Amino acid sequence: DQQVKQNSPSLSVQEGRISILNCDYTNSMFDYFLWYKKYPAEGPTFLISISSIKDKNEDGRFTVFLNKSAKHLSLHIVPSQPGDSAVYFCAATFFGGATNKLIFGTGTLLAVQP
Amino acid sequence: DAMVIQNPRYQVTQFGKPVTLSCSQTLNHNVMYWYQQKSSQAPKLLFHYYDKDFNNEADTPDNFQSRRPNTSFCFLDIRSPGLGDAAMYLCATSRDTQGVLEQYFGPGTRLTVT
Repeated sequence: DQQVKQNSPSLSVQEGRISILNCDYTNSMFDYFLWYKKYPAEGPTFLISISSIKDKNEDGRFTVFLNKSAKHLSLHIVPSQPGDSAVYFCAATFFGGATNKLIFGTGTLLAVQP
Repeated sequence: DAMVIQNPRYQVTQFGKPVTLSCSQTLNHNVMYWYQQKSSQAPKLLFHYYDKDFNNEADTPDNFQSRRPNTSFCFLDIRSPGLGDAAMYLCATSRDTQGVLEQYFGPGTRLTVT
């Protein structure tokens, strides 16, 4: 039972354009969401997060939007750069939970074309 | 640079032959996690240590064990690897399990079972 879903295995965008990566979740108890970025041969690195009390969080070129009623979040990258080409994982958890357990999606491979 | 280190990066073992994967961290974090990621799947938490307290996920097979002899090191032992255990194994750390939810990942060990 996949509680966090990233339905697009891959996405290709042109340099300078917007990249939009989507993530859906099924457990309404999740209250904290994170995006991780992974380059080949490296571990995932934290990118940006959002609490369920917010609907938007921005950090430079990266913005995460949360729609709780739709159980949907998205990561926007503007403008996209070739160095953004990587696998992006969405993860969800329970803030204040006992274990800080992250539930990951399967990832979306973003390719930014020069 | 403070980091999470995993050795070896690639490990080949024979069916049924015990294998140990190693993780070390220079972040001085309290919590260390082990994730299993099979091809095209989401990383899945196997267990974690909070200091010396071991916390097993309910669906982690008994074949998987872990040791944490000190703050810096954590080992994943697979007692009798099967073909289905071939995967990327990711080690991660976090400062705590409460309030600080970002996890720092190592580059992973890719395990092949022949």
